[in-house]
Amino acid sequence: QSVLTQPPSVSAAPGQKVTISCSGNSSNVGNNYVSWYQQVPGTAPKLLIYDNNKRPSGIPDRFSGSKSGTSATLGITGLQTGDEADYYCGTWDSRVNAPWVFGGGTKVTVL
Amino acid sequence: EVQLVESGGGLVKPGGSLRLSCAASGITFRNAWMSWVRQAPGKGLEWVGRIKSRVDGATPAYAAPVKGRFTISRDDSRNTLYLQINSLKTEDTAVYYCATGGGRNLDNWGQGILVTVTS
Repeated sequence: QSVLTQPPSVSAAPGQKVTISCSGNSSNVGNNYVSWYQQVPGTAPKLLIYDNNKRPSGIPDRFSGSKSGTSATLGITGLQTGDEADYYCGTWDSRVNAPWVFGGGTKVTVL
Repeated sequence: EVQLVESGGGLVKPGGSLRLSCAASGITFRNAWMSWVRQAPGKGLEWVGRIKSRVDGATPAYAAPVKGRFTISRDDSRNTLYLQINSLKTEDTAVYYCATGGGRNLDNWGQGILVTVTS
């Protein structure tokens, strides 16, 4: 059971948009920056979004992040077959026993 | 270009020990917070722990499931991060990744190294 809650899967046709939610509480999402990671099958995770809504160099603007209260959202527009991957949210947790936490991951399928 | 290369994984029996290394290049290692993250077969990401930079105190922090068995250390003269794993359990079987960061983000990731714990 992950501390942060994500839907197990989302899907859409090429060119469409998907959103992935990440729900936490005041000890994690509510009071800390959220980041998002993309993991293409068989490869290492890659930072996709940091500080809630910023994109590292080289990440296309089709990817966006937002946060409101204790929930964060990743959006992917203009869906491409190369976007098929697992996506994880992550953030710091202020509780002593869980310094950094991830969501359970969301599998994005391009139909 | 940032490169993180893990090594030291392999097959080990329950109760055994292992030390993983992560060699870093392309970053000012001594200033970097560093983390370990693992991923059991077919499962999601699990943060293992992190160590701050020396200027920030080089303080380690661990996830509850590994506290007391895992030790994170760093050698800034070698640009290398370590993960000492003791009293290995079958549930420690996973790909172990090192990553830069561990405060606000996990910016760069290594390719990962497999640790298999089996009798």
